[in-house]
Amino acid sequence: EAQVTQNPRYLITVTGKKLTVTCSQNMNHEYMSWYRQDPGLGLRQIYYSMNVEVTDKGDVPEGYKVSRKEKRNFPLILESPSPNQTSLYFCASGSRVSVEGYTFGSGTRLTVV
Amino acid sequence: GEDVEQSLFLSVREGDSSVINCTYTDSSSTYLYWYKQEPGAGLQLLTYIFSNMDMKQDQRLTVLLNKKDKHLSLRIADTQTGDSAIYFCAETPGFQKLVFGTGTRLLVSP
Repeated sequence: EAQVTQNPRYLITVTGKKLTVTCSQNMNHEYMSWYRQDPGLGLRQIYYSMNVEVTDKGDVPEGYKVSRKEKRNFPLILESPSPNQTSLYFCASGSRVSVEGYTFGSGTRLTVV
Repeated sequence: GEDVEQSLFLSVREGDSSVINCTYTDSSSTYLYWYKQEPGAGLQLLTYIFSNMDMKQDQRLTVLLNKKDKHLSLRIADTQTGDSAIYFCAETPGFQKLVFGTGTRLLVSP
């Protein structure tokens, strides 16, 4: 089954403790991206990657890092999480040859206390 | 800049039609999308429309696009309780990015 898999689904952590949210896709998509969803703000793009070893900032990159060492994986790294990073995070992947937009993961609900 | 606006809430009765509206800003968007988010789930692509189209129909869903006014709407015919969800419209100023609206929460009552 074609899908984007994020882990974990839920995470509670403390301020300053480094964490990584993993994202993997099995569709050989060249494009991957991270979004965060906050009430009243919709989804905002954090980082995106157009291909392996190519990453770029989205609209709200502060406090986040990403890497794209392999085509299928695009982890999101919070080096020193803060409470304002409490949010619902979505990973997405897509391909230029498909008009059907992007495939989204099921989300990771992160709480930073 | 990029800004996609939607009303926050819509309540309808089962069997009625629902119309969710969206205004967008980027006239260069090639495609415009509608996504559905059910509680605890990710975003599911509902439908999309190419920017040179005025209308697209897909079973109970009808998308209308007014490029002059940069207005997009999603009509759901014969709305069911299973349609209760948050609906997001999104524009594509470039392939690398979807710009989402704030989402419209649709509540369908029996």
